Amino acid sequence: DAKTTQPPSMDCAEGRAANLPCNHSTISGNEYVYWYRQIHSQGPQYIIHGLKNNETNEMASLIITEDRKSSTLILPHATLRDTAVYYCIVRVPSFQKLVFGTGTRLLVSP
Amino acid sequence: EPEVTQTPSHQVTQMGQEVILRCVPISNHLYFYWYRQILGQKVEFLVSFYNNEISEKSEIFDDQFSVERPDGSNFTLKIRSTKLEDSAMYFCASQEPGTGDYGYTFGSGTRLTVV
Repeated sequence: DAKTTQPPSMDCAEGRAANLPCNHSTISGNEYVYWYRQIHSQGPQYIIHGLKNNETNEMASLIITEDRKSSTLILPHATLRDTAVYYCIVRVPSFQKLVFGTGTRLLVSP
Repeated sequence: EPEVTQTPSHQVTQMGQEVILRCVPISNHLYFYWYRQILGQKVEFLVSFYNNEISEKSEIFDDQFSVERPDGSNFTLKIRSTKLEDSAMYFCASQEPGTGDYGYTFGSGTRLTVV
């Protein structure tokens, strides 16, 4: 079962930052936080992951609280193409399955 | 950027028929997966595959399902006798070797419609 809680939906204006929260209060010390997104019915797309430090890549930034019980994915300048379902997943880095929850449906509007 | 390629993009089959869904993972990846997503529902894990054998499978992956890597490049999912409830998007994914820290790369999916 998914071990994360995300709001079911969020709206964001084009060009503004989209901040997507995720609660993972039962995260273990060796579990990472991963973010994926699914645009329409395409395959999920890996975005970013982190353990405890904040991370940034070309797609997004990941802010993890000091107690690691929650995190925020930041899309700094959302575009219409960022409209998607965003999934927060906690897991040990491994070659094992991903367990998807219901995610947050982000709608970016003009 | 390397991609996971899935064919066909859409397959329609009659109930009871066998279907084979095909995937070409990224060439240096060694870990392969199949997931499915019934319309409007979550993405669900089916099976993982490494070193020519199944590593893990879900309850969904019953005797009607099988996977194969017949030629070192293709990775296939076979459903022996399709049911109406097998209608779904099927996603193949692969993962880089190494520490397991990396994200998966998913294909664009095959939409299977059983009529």
